[in-house]
Formats: sequence, C-alpha cells, structure tokens
Amino acid sequence: DGGITQSPKYLFRKEGQNVTLSCEQNLNHDAMYWYRQDPGQGLRLIYYSQIVNDFQKGDIAEGYSVSREKKESFPLTVTSAQKNPTAFYLCASSPSRGFTYNSPLHFGNGTRLTVT
Amino acid sequence: AQSVTQPDIHITVSEGASLELRCNYSYGATPYLFWYVQSPGQGLQLLLKYFSGDTLVQGIKGFEAEFKRSQSSFNLRKPSVHWSDAAEYFCAVVPSGTYKYIFGTGTRLKVLA
Repeated sequence: DGGITQSPKYLFRKEGQNVTLSCEQNLNHDAMYWYRQDPGQGLRLIYYSQIVNDFQKGDIAEGYSVSREKKESFPLTVTSAQKNPTAFYLCASSPSRGFTYNSPLHFGNGTRLTVT
Repeated sequence: AQSVTQPDIHITVSEGASLELRCNYSYGATPYLFWYVQSPGQGLQLLLKYFSGDTLVQGIKGFEAEFKRSQSSFNLRKPSVHWSDAAEYFCAVVPSGTYKYIFGTGTRLKVLA
C-alpha cells in the first residue's frame, strides 16, 4: 500500500543534541511538508519542498533544517537552536507542485519528540 | 489578520446524537476549505473539501459540511454520531492564489455511550 512512513513513532533526546526525524513516501508525490503540532495550536508549517533539491521555510523554520535529495525522502533535523522542540511532528505530501484542489494533503502518522 | 477559527476546543455528545462543529475564516475571497480528522497519536485524514458549486458537501464516514459565504463559515455536521467518531477535527483553508494550508486549532470530540 502506498503511504507516508514516519519513523520512529517516539523519540527521546537530551537537550543540546540534534535529532533527525525520518519521512519517506512511496506515493510518487512531488511536494512534501513538515508540520509541528502542539496542544491547542493546531498545525504550524515548518518547511516544505515542491521538488527535489529545493525547499522553502514555513512559518516556524527557526531551529530546524531539512533536505530533499530524493523525491521519496524529506528528513527534518531539529537542532539544538530550537528552543522548545518537544512536540508532535507530522510529515505530509501532495501529488503536485503548488496547490491543486483535487490533490489535498496526505499525512504520515507522526513522530512524538520529547527533549529533556 | 487572516485566520481560521474553531471556537469550540472540546465538544461532548451522546452516541446517536447530532453533531455540528464550527469553523470560521477571515479571508477576502472564498478560499479552498477542508475538514480533516485526527485519531489520537495518528496523522490527519481528509473528511471533505469545498471550493465552489453546491454549498453542501458530502464526505466520508457520513459527514457533511455547509459553506455559508455570508457568515464566512464552513461547519461540519453529522446526523448521528458513533463512538468511533471520537477524535480531533481540524478545519483548514487554502487562500485563493496560494498553496499554503492554514489550519484551525482543532475541536476535540468526545462521545458518550
């Protein structure tokens, strides 16, 4: 079955360490996204990529970095510069670059990161 | 400022009762409108979407939503709630001319047996 795989489901790190969250899709989608979810705040866009080797900052990119070396993969690194990294992170994809009404977002099942 | 508002943080209904979840947006032109559902610890699943045409939209799992331009609203409804509908529901918009999804803060639904 096609879908988006995020791993691991739970991740624990000590403060000051960088950590990379994995996102892999086998849907052949062009666009991929990273969202952060905190209780009562909905989803906030961290980074997005419309095409391989290109990505743009979202609303809360500070303290995060990404790469898009392959169409299928869009890993997110949470750096030590991110002041409040503990959150639920969701990866999403859509078939087309830009937005098309008939190509809404598909989501992975998320990674819960806890930094102590 | 452009925004999406879900005024109800929590809603509790009895199984079999009707449900309405509210969503209001503040954009000049009619945006693309979506409702997503999230079960605990999971990703989001699309319930339904609207851009133009019939203002009453049917989705999966027996949900429907009505677009009211005059009220800038896109409320989600279900005639009879099932215990499995307990989840968090997110309204989202994509303003016309953009491709950026703006999500509301979500409404958590609890269903009483």
